[in-house]
Amino acid sequence: AQSVTQLDSQVPVFEEAPVELRCNYSSSVSVYLFWYVQYPNQGLQLLLKYLSGSTLVKGINGFEAEFNKSQTSFHLRKPSVHISDTAEYFCAVLIYNQGGKLIFGQGTELSVKP
Amino acid sequence: GAVVSQHPSWVICKSGTSVKIECRSLDFQATTMFWYRQFPKQSLMLMATSNEGSKATYEQGVEKDKFLINHASLTLSTLTVTSAHPEDSSFYICSASDAGENGNEQFFGPGTRLTVL
Repeated sequence: AQSVTQLDSQVPVFEEAPVELRCNYSSSVSVYLFWYVQYPNQGLQLLLKYLSGSTLVKGINGFEAEFNKSQTSFHLRKPSVHISDTAEYFCAVLIYNQGGKLIFGQGTELSVKP
Repeated sequence: GAVVSQHPSWVICKSGTSVKIECRSLDFQATTMFWYRQFPKQSLMLMATSNEGSKATYEQGVEKDKFLINHASLTLSTLTVTSAHPEDSSFYICSASDAGENGNEQFFGPGTRLTVL
């Protein structure tokens, strides 16, 4: 069975500091990897995705993530956060040949303080 | 980019009534639509997967007779919560996939907040 673990439920950080949100997955087959952001009472917005190719993926709002196959990780990073980055972040995997189903992690609440 | 809308954005209903939520893909044809529910401070839980013109596939533990899903066209799927009860109060989110140039990427709607009194 496949699973996604986001290791931190809450990450408080000061404005302009760097941040890393951790994500590990478990799967016996190849996967696509995604990071989504959710602002209060809104749907999910795609930050970035890894399908193939370069393991370092750049997304919107200055975020990037690195796929590490040996460690089955896909950690999200931003070198300098803003107050507006305060939101819930979800890591997700899409399993090949399973009808496009996404499996989500538990979410990480990023709280950026002035 | 691909846009998915949901209607209504929020709804309040009395216990025992039924509520219908619409999910539309505005600028692409969605061969597959997904329905999720999300409780406060929790992750998204997949309820069902629907393909246009066929019956929805429900996840384990989701009552298909309570959560009726119809995917009658390539741009519209509906979720009807029948005989709603307070424990059905949740945030319902749909997503759509075209399995075309975007591969299996899902595009999410803005969500519908259901409150059952």
